[in-house]
Amino acid sequence: AQSVTQPDIHITVSEGASLELRCNYSYGATPYLFWYVQSPGQGLQLLLKYFSGDTLVQGIKGFEAEFKRSQSSFNLRKPSVHWSDAAEYFCAVGAKKLTFGTGTRLTIIP
Amino acid sequence: KAGVTQTPRYLIKTRGQQVTLSCSPISGHRSVSWYQQTPGQGLQFLFEYFSETQRNKGNFPGRFSGRQFSNSRSEMNVSTLELGDSALYLCASSLGYTSGSIETQYFGPGTRLLVL
Repeated sequence: AQSVTQPDIHITVSEGASLELRCNYSYGATPYLFWYVQSPGQGLQLLLKYFSGDTLVQGIKGFEAEFKRSQSSFNLRKPSVHWSDAAEYFCAVGAKKLTFGTGTRLTIIP
Repeated sequence: KAGVTQTPRYLIKTRGQQVTLSCSPISGHRSVSWYQQTPGQGLQFLFEYFSETQRNKGNFPGRFSGRQFSNSRSEMNVSTLELGDSALYLCASSLGYTSGSIETQYFGPGTRLLVL
């Protein structure tokens, strides 16, 4: 069965600081991995995805993620966060039926 | 291109009632999936419809059902509502190729259901 673990429930960073959100997955075959962001009261917006190929993927809003098969990880990074990045971030795995992690809430300190 | 739309955005019902939620996918998308989001259980897959047929199903009781119309619009129905059904219900659409393909799902804003 597929599963996703996001070990950090809540992360607080200062504006302008770098960010890394952790995601570990369990999947039977080649994983199809996604990061979504959810602002309060909103739906999910796709940040980036990994299907195959280059293990470093670029997404929208300056985010990137690196797929590491040996560590079963797909961590999300951003070199310099902005106050507007405050939201909840979800890692997901799956081809048709997405399995989501529990999410990481990101708070930005001015 | 317009995104996924869901109606209504907010809904209040009482226990025992039934509710129908609607989802219009992105133009050209033929697959519609439904997810339930609650603070306790997080995001959980309900079911996926493609070409008016349920193609995948999650682990929810039979009170949760859905359908898809020929224009790819989808409805989700919950009968005999329980307090625990209070949640944000998210709809996602994708192109919907063969069942073996991998696709990106685009989400709507959700319908927030409160059961009293």
